[in-house]
Amino acid sequence: EDQVTQSPEALRLQEGESSSLNCSYTVSGLRGLFWYRQDPGKGPEFLFTLYSAGEEKEKERLKATLTKKESFLHITAPKPEDSATYLCAVQANDYKLSFGAGTTVTVRA
Amino acid sequence: GAGVSQSPSNKVTEKGKDVELRCDPISGHTALYWYRQSLGQGLEFLIYFQGNSAPDKSGLPSDRFSAERTGGSVSTLTIQRTQQEDSAVYLCASSLVAGGPYGELFFGEGSRLTVL
Repeated sequence: EDQVTQSPEALRLQEGESSSLNCSYTVSGLRGLFWYRQDPGKGPEFLFTLYSAGEEKEKERLKATLTKKESFLHITAPKPEDSATYLCAVQANDYKLSFGAGTTVTVRA
Repeated sequence: GAGVSQSPSNKVTEKGKDVELRCDPISGHTALYWYRQSLGQGLEFLIYFQGNSAPDKSGLPSDRFSAERTGGSVSTLTIQRTQQEDSAVYLCASSLVAGGPYGELFFGEGSRLTVL
């Protein structure tokens, strides 16, 4: 069974203090690893898809990287508007996404 | 609209009643998914449609839960004889294709179900 573990559960940052979120996974036949952002009371919002080890993608202050066992979401010089829960998910051969529990990031001004 | 639309956004019902939740996916998206998110929990997979057929119903918690999709578009999730443990946010998502490139899911805002 696909397993996705995210750490830490919660992260409190000062504005401008860069940090990284971890997503470790066990899956048979990875089709893709996805990062989503979820704001309170909203549905998850798609950020990135990574398909193979060594791949990196960037969007504004966010950068996602992928190895054979884990993915990192790096937040560079975060702002208060980056506060959200960040979800990692893997997609295997059965097409469904299996999600981790998420990391809740709070950025203080 | 441009995004995935779900209704109702909020539903309060009494234990034992039936409820229907509706999802209108992004136009042209062939794959449709239902997930459930309980308070403080991760997303739990319920069912996946490719067109009108459901190749994977493995996540449905019990036979009280059913879903259908018609015309390759709108989907309805039905919960019969609701129980308090059914209280959660039910999220619908659609994707252009199932898996691989362009397989990213786009989610609606969810339907919050409260069973009293």
